[in-house]
Amino acid sequence: LAKTTQPISMDSYEGQEVNITCSHNNIATNDYITWYQQFPSQGPRFIIQGYKTKVTNEVASLFIPADRKSSTLSLPRVSLSDTAVYYCLVVNLNSGYSTLTFGKGTMLLVSP
Amino acid sequence: NAGVTQTPKFRVLKTGQSMTLLCAQDMNHEYMYWYRQDPGMGLRLIHYSVGEGTTAKGEVPDGYNVSRLKKQNFLLGLESAAPSQTSVYFCASSQGPGSYGYTFGSGTRLTVV
Repeated sequence: LAKTTQPISMDSYEGQEVNITCSHNNIATNDYITWYQQFPSQGPRFIIQGYKTKVTNEVASLFIPADRKSSTLSLPRVSLSDTAVYYCLVVNLNSGYSTLTFGKGTMLLVSP
Repeated sequence: NAGVTQTPKFRVLKTGQSMTLLCAQDMNHEYMYWYRQDPGMGLRLIHYSVGEGTTAKGEVPDGYNVSRLKKQNFLLGLESAAPSQTSVYFCASSQGPGSYGYTFGSGTRLTVV
């Protein structure tokens, strides 16, 4: 399993763009990059997933460089409600029994 | 849509007591999972199931048993609770293996005294 490294915490202010970078130097050819969000007292919620280049949805964008050794989750114009823990995971595409391994994530605190 | 429902939401047990946590999903997902989350530890996989009637061990299976008698339900049992099992337990389901988005329940906070 590719190990991921991400900052333990980040601070931001309302209205700013937040970029959380995750390092996964040992990512394999068949691995996807997936991000989850977890609010206090709730289970994690799937945000976005990608393989290479850029993926965008209504919540966030995911930037993946050509070497795929890192990825950046971009949250545009954050609000107080974006305060949460964000997890970066690497998931094997072809493993019939693969499961998600969650690290400690990045605690994002958005202030007024 | 209910998604993934966990019962109970809170429970206090005495050491040595047993209990069962119930997870129910209404999305017809094949895969179901039980995780535990402790402060500063992230989520750790206890057991999982890839279909009705199947179960498999995860990262921290000791002290727990599971059953998947019906596709929509995944039960987590504690045979003899210990204080080390004080944690928040999350159930999740997915249509396929890890590359598919998981849907998590809201968790069960268990305290063993």
